[in-house]
Amino acid sequence: DIQMTQSPSSVSASVGDRVTITCRASQGISSWLAWYQQKPGKAPKFLIYAVSSLQSGVPSRFSGSGSGTDFTLTISGLQPEDFATYYCQQANTFRWTFGQGTKVEIK
Amino acid sequence: EVQLLESGGGLVQPGGSLRLSCAASGLTFSSYPMTWVRQAPEKGLEWVSTINGAGSSTNYADSVRGRFTISRDNSKNTVYLQMNSLRAEDTAVYYCAKLYYYASGYYFDYWGQGALVTVSS
Repeated sequence: DIQMTQSPSSVSASVGDRVTITCRASQGISSWLAWYQQKPGKAPKFLIYAVSSLQSGVPSRFSGSGSGTDFTLTISGLQPEDFATYYCQQANTFRWTFGQGTKVEIK
Repeated sequence: EVQLLESGGGLVQPGGSLRLSCAASGLTFSSYPMTWVRQAPEKGLEWVSTINGAGSSTNYADSVRGRFTISRDNSKNTVYLQMNSLRAEDTAVYYCAKLYYYASGYYFDYWGQGALVTVSS
């Protein structure tokens, strides 16, 4: 299976900060990458697909980039509602795998 | 609006069985593959199983293959996960999710609220 590795595991940031999360795949996955946001006790929320396409209703402060094996999620101007855990997911095969998650905490 | 509602979770002894259901509304159910994803306590997300829209093709994670069976009833807009020979390590919140197809990739665009399965004696 394709392994997905996120870094950092957690990040402390303040409202208004720019936050970048990195996701690395163990092999090339072209542009088949998604990002999800999860808040405590809630289901994951679909944010970004195909590396950089925002799901409907997702604020434009979220953006994604990358290709092949290295990808990033950037939150530009962190808002209080953005404090959550973020997961990347590869969609290259019918054996989907997720990163271990990155927790964005309040500084 | 797409809604997914899981049911059937609970406490079961090791070696026991449980069946989860996920009732869908707000979509042409038979048109979409459906999947189950689980999350152990304080852990990340793990894909479990997927079924195509017709119910004719399935796939499973190695950790559950041979023990879990995914199925669907398109007349009831419901997908199921039959879990047998349960182990302590199957303890998790189980989410059903709808698959979204875009540019040769499948993503999980709508999720249910989750059903907690606890395997313990």
